[in-house]
Amino acid sequence: GAVVSQHPSWVICKSGTSVKIECRSLDFQATTMFWYRQFPKQSLMLMATSNEGSKATYEQGVEKDKFLINHASLTLSTLTVTSAHPEDSSFYICSAPRWGGQQETQYFGPGTRLLVL
Amino acid sequence: EDKVVQSPLSLVVHEGDTVTLNCSYEVTNFRSLLWYKQEKKAPTFLFMLTSSGIEKKSGRLSSILDKKELFSILNITATQTGDSAIYLCAVSQISNTGKLIFGQGTTLQVKP
Repeated sequence: GAVVSQHPSWVICKSGTSVKIECRSLDFQATTMFWYRQFPKQSLMLMATSNEGSKATYEQGVEKDKFLINHASLTLSTLTVTSAHPEDSSFYICSAPRWGGQQETQYFGPGTRLLVL
Repeated sequence: EDKVVQSPLSLVVHEGDTVTLNCSYEVTNFRSLLWYKQEKKAPTFLFMLTSSGIEKKSGRLSSILDKKELFSILNITATQTGDSAIYLCAVSQISNTGKLIFGQGTTLQVKP
């Protein structure tokens, strides 16, 4: 079946450094991918829509200069948290939709836990 | 503003109990409502509902959608400790391919 992978699965970094998270669709092409952030005991909050070959679309309140998104190919989107601070510590999840017949299925990556010290 | 609201936000039951989780929505261009279960990692898919009144069932879990009253319920019968998780409800729109609007989630704890 379709699989979406994320790398790394967890990362610890110092405040002020940048962290890159990769999201890959392993056996299908995804012109669109989505990035979510989830704080403990809260729901998924959509951060941005990653569009292959064009600029990402950010949700209200999400700083595009802080959360850089690059969708360089049909199977890879990256999220870079620039100048990370402790408040950026969270669980980051990507997803990619895939169409099968007339039905669209959303496949989630396993998530990346980020801890900024 | 499009929104999805889940209730209760948290729930503690004992093994064997039956629980009902609620999800209401106010979303333009509704296409489908989805239920997910999330344990320690990413959400896992449970159900997708597009039509009113048709119950979807998988083992002890079942769900139904009411498009007139704009809500859905997720039932879990004979709960087990392995059912402990966050249950997420999300809505997709016709106009926004792939984008999901999530509710706050319901945290379910099943005690032995």
